[in-house]
Amino acid sequence: DVKVTQSSRYLVKRTGEKVFLECVQDMDHENMFWYRQDPGLGLRLIYFSYDVKMKEKGDIPEGYSVSREKKERFSLILESASTNQTSMYLCASSRGRGGAPFETQYFGPGTRLLVL
Amino acid sequence: KQEVTQIPAALSVPEGENLVLNCSFTDSAIYNLQWFRQDPGKGLTSLLLIQSSQREQTSGRLNASLDKSSGRSTLYIAASQPGDSATYLCAVYGSGNTGKLIFGQGTTLQVKP
Repeated sequence: DVKVTQSSRYLVKRTGEKVFLECVQDMDHENMFWYRQDPGLGLRLIYFSYDVKMKEKGDIPEGYSVSREKKERFSLILESASTNQTSMYLCASSRGRGGAPFETQYFGPGTRLLVL
Repeated sequence: KQEVTQIPAALSVPEGENLVLNCSFTDSAIYNLQWFRQDPGKGLTSLLLIQSSQREQTSGRLNASLDKSSGRSTLYIAASQPGDSATYLCAVYGSGNTGKLIFGQGTTLQVKP
């Protein structure tokens, strides 16, 4: 079974702090994704990556950056957390090389972030 | 721009009923459509994936159909159980939309014992 793990289930941070959300998958998947989920807005794609050291902007990249130094790990960084970044953050991965991204996405359990 | 809509937003049924969840999408040029389940405060679990060339997929008590020309998919749940209570999301991969799943807002299902 594919396993996608996220470093924290719950996080509380202060406005202006730098926040790191970590995601690790154990199935040698090429593709990894970061989403946020908000009531009434659904899931929105922040960033995704088809390969190590590669990243692509999703629909709402502003205020976020990512890092993929190793194939199994994809980090989401909030450079200076703001209250409007309070949300549920979901990481996902899928098999397939860049250009063949239409495989099933497997999701982690999510990190609920509260920015005060 | 692809948009995915799920109706109804919430549904409550007695245990044992057969039920249908609906998903519609505006652009019929899709590669595939997925149905996911999400339990409260948890991540998403993939239930079924239908390729654009397929009409339906089945897994246990679940059956998903796809009518690409009309931009519709349905998820049929037979003999519903309280354990089926969750939010069900559909999502599409659109053509030229590499790597980007477009999600509906979900239908929250409650199955009462």
